[in-house]
Amino acid sequence: KAGVTQTPRYLIKTRGQQVTLSCSPISGHRSVSWYQQTPGQGLQFLFEYFSETQRNKGNFPGRFSGRQFSNSRSEMNVSTLELGDSALYLCASSPGSGAETQYFGPGTRLLVL
Amino acid sequence: ILNVEQSPQSLHVQEGDSTNFTCSFPSSNFYALHWYRWETAKSPEALFVMTLNGDEKKKGRISATLNTKEGYSYLYIKGSQPEDSATYLCALSNYGGATNKLIFGTGTLLAVQP
Repeated sequence: KAGVTQTPRYLIKTRGQQVTLSCSPISGHRSVSWYQQTPGQGLQFLFEYFSETQRNKGNFPGRFSGRQFSNSRSEMNVSTLELGDSALYLCASSPGSGAETQYFGPGTRLLVL
Repeated sequence: ILNVEQSPQSLHVQEGDSTNFTCSFPSSNFYALHWYRWETAKSPEALFVMTLNGDEKKKGRISATLNTKEGYSYLYIKGSQPEDSATYLCALSNYGGATNKLIFGTGTLLAVQP
């Protein structure tokens, strides 16, 4: 089975721009979660989608949004980029709900100049 | 705000040494505790998911224990090898299974010298 894939792997943007990141989960997985990692911080939960519905949301401003498609692929969007949005963005997929193992993708490294 | 804490922040050991790290978490509303290994330039890799107080899990030379009443988990590595060098993360799930949201600690960076 193919693992979780994320595109693009690297991205450079300037302040004020917007960006869309994509995550394709493992085939058959219905839950996709997004995390942000910045230097000195642990992985911070952004949001989780399950069957095209947002199931939980972390403590991030409204500039961060996401969606999930019927094939379980997910995108996250960040509008009006700020320097502090420079980070590694990871997505993770799992079959359903509850304390299941989550499988992480390789991440998208975003640099905002 | 829930805090998951890991100690030590970093650890340097010699090949063959055994080592252990600690993950502390609030014991209220506990549902599950996850351990991940994250090597540089790779994806975090799941090691264990533990749910029951007193749980012990083992995978090769790595094992973990869980105490939900006092809110801690230990990860042990027996006979460390250079390939064990990685950041070890623990993460708490406390939403009763209704969501896959994980609250991560900041990790323990392990460096094993040959």
